[in-house]
Amino acid sequence: AQSVTQPDIHITVSEGASLELRCNYSYGATPYLFWYVQSPGQGLQLLLKYFSGDTLVQGIKGFEAEFKRSQSSFNLRKPSVHWSDAAEYFCAVRAIYNFNKFYFGSGTKLNVKP
Amino acid sequence: EAQVTQNPRYLITVTGKKLTVTCSQNMNHEYMSWYRQDPGLGLRQIYYSMNVEVTDKGDVPEGYKVSRKEKRNFPLILESPSPNQTSLYFCASSSPAVGTNYEQYFGPGTRLTVT
Repeated sequence: AQSVTQPDIHITVSEGASLELRCNYSYGATPYLFWYVQSPGQGLQLLLKYFSGDTLVQGIKGFEAEFKRSQSSFNLRKPSVHWSDAAEYFCAVRAIYNFNKFYFGSGTKLNVKP
Repeated sequence: EAQVTQNPRYLITVTGKKLTVTCSQNMNHEYMSWYRQDPGLGLRQIYYSMNVEVTDKGDVPEGYKVSRKEKRNFPLILESPSPNQTSLYFCASSSPAVGTNYEQYFGPGTRLTVT
């Protein structure tokens, strides 16, 4: 069965420090990959997406993610975190052979220390 | 403005009292979907619709119904709500058109409490 794993439930980083959020997926082929952010009390906003091509993708708000086929990973990174980045982050996949199905990870809550 | 709207945003109800959460999108998207979000579980797909009159179950469909009579609307129906359906619900839509990468657009969410 398809699954998405975000191994870190909570992460705390200092403002200005770098950030990496991990995401691993289980699927027979490379799916469409997404990262969403959810600020407290808000809906989900798309940060970036990958479906083919360059394995390093750039998103909004200074985020980037790297797809590694050999590791079935799609980790999200930011070189310098801002206090406004405190939120919950979700990795998601959309199956290629059944694009009606979406699978989300359980989320990673990011706290930013001043 | 392109958007997905949901109503109500907050709802407190009692066990067994039928309710409907509405979802509407103005982007002419064929695909729409409902999710529930629970702490530690992320978002789980309840139902989805590929187009008018075409719906199918997601991973957690028990206790829910949907309908798609118009392209823009995709209501979620709880015929007899129970406390385990207390959750945050999201509606989403997307277009399967080439070039969109099937990106989903999400509504603001509906927080449902069943007592």
